[in-house]
Amino acid sequence: NAGVTQTPKFQVLKTGQSMTLQCAQDMNHNSMYWYRQDPGMGLRLIYYSASEGTTDKGEVPNGYNVSRLNKREFSLRLESAAPSQTSVYFCASSRGQVSNQPQHFGDGTRLSIL
Amino acid sequence: QKEVEQNSGPLSVPEGAIASLNCTYSDRGSQSFFWYRQYSGKSPELIMFIYSNGDKEDGRFTAQLNKASQYVSLLIRDSQPSDSATYLCAVTGNSGYALNFGKGTSLLVTP
Repeated sequence: NAGVTQTPKFQVLKTGQSMTLQCAQDMNHNSMYWYRQDPGMGLRLIYYSASEGTTDKGEVPNGYNVSRLNKREFSLRLESAAPSQTSVYFCASSRGQVSNQPQHFGDGTRLSIL
Repeated sequence: QKEVEQNSGPLSVPEGAIASLNCTYSDRGSQSFFWYRQYSGKSPELIMFIYSNGDKEDGRFTAQLNKASQYVSLLIRDSQPSDSATYLCAVTGNSGYALNFGKGTSLLVTP
């Protein structure tokens, strides 16, 4: 009964390094999301995938890319990490549109960029 | 930018009291409203969701929605120290997929 699984849980990078955050869900959900959470800023949507094969930008997509690998997996890539990307990253999933299906979150990845 | 506003708190209530958490939103087109609880260092956990005007009750929790006033609230009855957490209000955006989150209200329930 894993739900939404994120790896890694913690990571420290140097400025300019690249990194892929992994997310997988076992709830047969259609939609998946990546958020970042910063102190005083709340949760902000980076990218989402409404269904397998589609991705769309959220509020703060700059500096990130995503891949919806299959229905279960949605990855987030930082091509050239910057200190401003130090944050806690949450992956979430929902059965469909959140207008009638709540989102469920993974445990998060705590990422520090030095 | 669609805004969701919450008092940051901390809101302090004694054990056994009713905690009232409030949220206002700017987008009149928002259709669905969610309350998440987040313990320090943990991920958001869904508490309740509400789609229609009025009250929705689930155990000790009651969500209240007033679309005309663009206001949603969460009442926690018989508050317990274990309810101490940050409560996030979330509102649907235009796409039907994006959620706009407030910055959260910190609740402290004192024994």
